Amino acid sequence: EAGVVQSPRYKIIEKKQPVAFWCNPISGHNTLYWYRQNLGQGPELLIRYENEEAVDDSQLPKDRFSAERLKGVDSTLKIQPAELGDSAVYLCASSLRGSVDSPLHFGNGTRLTVT
Amino acid sequence: GDSVTQMEGPVTLSEEAFLTINCTYTATGYPSLFWYVQYPGEGLQLLLKATKADDKGSNKGFEATYRKETTSFHLEKGSVQVSDSAVYFCALSAYNTDKLIFGTGTRLQVFP
Repeated sequence: EAGVVQSPRYKIIEKKQPVAFWCNPISGHNTLYWYRQNLGQGPELLIRYENEEAVDDSQLPKDRFSAERLKGVDSTLKIQPAELGDSAVYLCASSLRGSVDSPLHFGNGTRLTVT
Repeated sequence: GDSVTQMEGPVTLSEEAFLTINCTYTATGYPSLFWYVQYPGEGLQLLLKATKADDKGSNKGFEATYRKETTSFHLEKGSVQVSDSAVYFCALSAYNTDKLIFGTGTRLQVFP
């Protein structure tokens, strides 16, 4: 089966510019996650979707970050405007169902550098 | 809140050496515990998991035992290979949820 696909792999932008990341989960996976991984740290959850509904966005900085999952399949994460501290790897993951018995499958991530 | 603490790296070993990467956790209730691995240039992959006390997760020669009394989930392998070089993340999810909380990761470097 095809894995979780993310694009772009790398993005370099100047601060105050907008940026968007795209994720295509594994076919049939209802649950989709966006994580952020700062350098030397473990991933931290930003938002979790069950189909098209965001069921946990408590860690998403809503003043500048937004996400959507139209039709419960692909998802886009946007930052506007970007700040220097947003430099990180943004990871998308999906699972068949949101339970501990359903493992998360991660994409390769998008490495964002804000200058 | 819930958290995971794992030993800092890098851990540098010769091929066929014994590996231990320590992981301890803080959580209310009965979390599930995981080890994820990130090979160079690849995404995170689930290596093994344990969902209740005294369970042993195992995969690819790696194993870890869920120790509730010491709140630990140490990763071990009897004989490492160069191909095991990667970053290893310990993680937990609170009881009955799938929200993962990760440790900071431990880089393993295995030399021939």
